[in-house]
Amino acid sequence: AQKITQTQPGMFVQEKEAVTLDCTYDTSDPSYGLFWYKQPSSGEMIFLIYQGSYDQQNATEGRYSLNFQKARKSANLVISASQLGDSAMYFCASRTSYGKLTFGQGTILTVHP
Amino acid sequence: ETGVTQTPRHLVMGMTNKKSLKCEQHLGHNAMYWYKQSAKKPLELMFVYSLEERVENNSVPSRFSPECPNSSHLFLHLHTLQPEDSALYLCASSPTPIGSGELFFGEGSRLTVL
Repeated sequence: AQKITQTQPGMFVQEKEAVTLDCTYDTSDPSYGLFWYKQPSSGEMIFLIYQGSYDQQNATEGRYSLNFQKARKSANLVISASQLGDSAMYFCASRTSYGKLTFGQGTILTVHP
Repeated sequence: ETGVTQTPRHLVMGMTNKKSLKCEQHLGHNAMYWYKQSAKKPLELMFVYSLEERVENNSVPSRFSPECPNSSHLFLHLHTLQPEDSALYLCASSPTPIGSGELFFGEGSRLTVL
């Protein structure tokens, strides 16, 4: 069974600052993928970034980077230069080679001007 | 036109009503999903369809009945629901159900059961 833990129910950051959202995972599958999604108040889940379990380098997508520490089973999301539009709920998720996607409980990020 | 479209966006129904949620994807994907998002709980996978065949059913009560008439459309038929079924229901699609590709989500249908 898979489990995703996001220990920060809410986070606050000043505009233009960087913020790290924590995620730890627990899976027995040797091959898995890790995802971060953003959910604004509109409800839609927006894909941000993906890290494969065998990827040697940390994934980056624009202002988003994933700090992947396999031994610690952590996959933290780093958002650099925060913008007001980054205020949303953020979900970490893992997907096994069999396709099942498991989500964490989410972290609400609020960006202050 | 967005990739995954859900209708209605908001639905209020009584416990004896019968209603349906609709999902349509314009991405040419072969797999579609229903997720339930309740307050303060992780997203729960309800159903997975691959090429119109149901490949996963996560112990969902029978008052939820999915239908996938073709690879572009997915329905969730609702009948005799309970107040605890009030939630955001998210539809998603992916090129295939197996593999590490991302899911593409719709904006959700917010259901309130009175």
